[in-house]
Amino acid sequence: EVNLVESGGDLVQPGGSLRLSCAASGFMFTTYSMHWVRQAPGKGLEWLSYISSASNIIYYADSVKGRFTVSRDNAKNSLYLQMNSLRDEDTAVYYCARQYDTSSVSNWFDPWGQGTLVTVSS
Amino acid sequence: DIQMTQSPSTLSASVGDRVTITCRASQSIRYWLAWYQQKSGKAPKLLIYKASTLESGVPSRFSGSGFATEFTLTISSLQPDDFATYYCQHYDTFPLTFGGGTKVEIK
Repeated sequence: EVNLVESGGDLVQPGGSLRLSCAASGFMFTTYSMHWVRQAPGKGLEWLSYISSASNIIYYADSVKGRFTVSRDNAKNSLYLQMNSLRDEDTAVYYCARQYDTSSVSNWFDPWGQGTLVTVSS
Repeated sequence: DIQMTQSPSTLSASVGDRVTITCRASQSIRYWLAWYQQKSGKAPKLLIYKASTLESGVPSRFSGSGFATEFTLTISSLQPDDFATYYCQHYDTFPLTFGGGTKVEIK
């Protein structure tokens, strides 16, 4: 069974840092591009970041560019999101999601993890 | 960046109703559009991709159509399990963006 499990969400003060992890299982992680998507409380979905299977292509949303860094460790079947300079507006549930298939144009998401909550507050 | 606008933001309907949700792109995205269903406290679930291709396992009462800038998600006969929030998402270019969502409520 294909499965994604996020971890690392926590309460952090404004200006602080946090690293999220996403553990993948049930598929060949090394061949799939991956994404991070977030959802603020009561709000819609916001795409944050993309990383290709070999980590050679990376994209960010403007809202997190320069503050967040996506990475992956294919040997550990794991995806990461390093979040620095956190702001109140970064409070959200953070989801990792797999690109649908290994085609370069398949940038829609399935499956998704269950999400991990990040709360930025003093 | 490509903006995605969904309408309506909220929709009240009854079991058995035909429901249509619209998603408009600020520029042509060809047919590079996906639809998701999200229930409270859960991760989104993929329904449709390439504007009209039904994901495996999704009931046939769901259908998608459209091209370029105008797209629709239709539920032919609303079932109790369908009360949820629906999102469109384009994947024409980066950055990827979602519509604001349409909440389907019980009338």
